[in-house]
Amino acid sequence: QKEVEQNSGPLSVPEGAIASLNCTYSDRGSQSFFWYRQYSGKSPELIMSIYSNGDKEDGRFTAQLNKASQYVSLLIRDSQPSDSATYLCAVKARTSYDKVIFGPGTSLSVIP
Amino acid sequence: DTAVSQTPKYLVTQMGNDKSIKCEQNLGHDTMYWYKQDSKKFLKIMFSYNNKELIINETVPNRFSPKSPDKAHLNLHINSLELGDSAVYFCASSQDGVDNSPLHFGNGTRLTVT
Repeated sequence: QKEVEQNSGPLSVPEGAIASLNCTYSDRGSQSFFWYRQYSGKSPELIMSIYSNGDKEDGRFTAQLNKASQYVSLLIRDSQPSDSATYLCAVKARTSYDKVIFGPGTSLSVIP
Repeated sequence: DTAVSQTPKYLVTQMGNDKSIKCEQNLGHDTMYWYKQDSKKFLKIMFSYNNKELIINETVPNRFSPKSPDKAHLNLHINSLELGDSAVYFCASSQDGVDNSPLHFGNGTRLTVT
């Protein structure tokens, strides 16, 4: 089983819709979870971090974490064409030192 | 000011050559990383240094040798380059000991081996 899994997509949504991105992880002891956005040819940039069960909202973005189900998601409300990118789920593993493991990414396309 | 900077941005070289990529961060972070992103966009950790000490060494060929002269710098030297080494290499840093400390990435070095 891969350590961090995501639907590879591509995921297409119309402009103004809600985009839902999902991620599961295998290490039950993982504590910190991150969503990064990566535009083509650019470096990943942090969108959200979450470490407690429940929802965390930041503008149009909501991260949801369910540690019992080992599941983390990202909702993008009122999707814009500028949101078209690859979204990377990242999990900080339970080790003595920081080790951040990435999922394969989900490609999102927002259609005007 | 650029937080994490790496050079060069592009690197084109032939098989068998040796090349280096340099990385510097001015964020005062304790931990630095090298990640490799292949053509399928999968971002895989290679190495991690904490205060100049190697703490993570994933299954990476020993042709790859990281060096950290101080905690603000982490360089990557690659010997005997192979076609399969072609990828984008990202340097990153984070603050150790802070659970929610995210990674801050450099702009990447696109390595092409011909």
